[in-house]
Amino acid sequence: DIVMTQSPDSLAVSLGERATINCKSSPSLLYSSNNKNYLAWYQQKAGQPPKLLIYWASIRESGVPDRFSGSGSGTDFTLTISSLQAEDVAVYYCQQYYNTPLTFGGGTKVEIK
Amino acid sequence: QITLKESGPTLVKPTQTLTLTCTFSGFSLTTSAVGVGWIRQPPGKALEWLALNYWSDEKRYSPSLRNRLTITKDTTKNQVVLTMTNMDPVDTATYYCAHLRGTGNSPLVDFWGQGILVTVSS
Repeated sequence: DIVMTQSPDSLAVSLGERATINCKSSPSLLYSSNNKNYLAWYQQKAGQPPKLLIYWASIRESGVPDRFSGSGSGTDFTLTISSLQAEDVAVYYCQQYYNTPLTFGGGTKVEIK
Repeated sequence: QITLKESGPTLVKPTQTLTLTCTFSGFSLTTSAVGVGWIRQPPGKALEWLALNYWSDEKRYSPSLRNRLTITKDTTKNQVVLTMTNMDPVDTATYYCAHLRGTGNSPLVDFWGQGILVTVSS
């Protein structure tokens, strides 16, 4: 199974400041034949199901605010919230879809400082 | 608009078999490169993928739970059913069904149901 490791477990950021979440995979999620990284990011607010934010490591899903961005390639990925808003308080998960079984990171809880 | 809704028992006893139904709308499981999967989340813990069923009837299972899971689809009813045998208290979790886009080993989970909390207790 592909192992997904997120850091930090939690972080507190002031409103309007940047939040950065890291995700490492083992092994690589880069498929050489199409040069795509099979990595998605989800946001899960309290009491709600996860919501897809980012796929192919950096493509925003339709309707997702542009303050959310994804970057990285191979084994190291980052989700950045450029200017944290109150409604961004949630747990964020990375997930690989390079291969089944699909596997998720342990989650990063984002709170307001 | 894609929607999915899980239904089934919210309380099961240890050793019993759990049967969950996902009823969906806004897409068809006869369309190429579409699937429905199940994912669970124990209280306060991370997400765990369980199984998926593609439009082609190709199925994939979590290796660690393969011998306990069965997934089937009914395209006439727009439903996907997951059964899990020999339930244990550690299986207590919110069970989500989800829409998948893609094929083979690489489906993207893009829409989730609201989930159903299943508690395993005697």
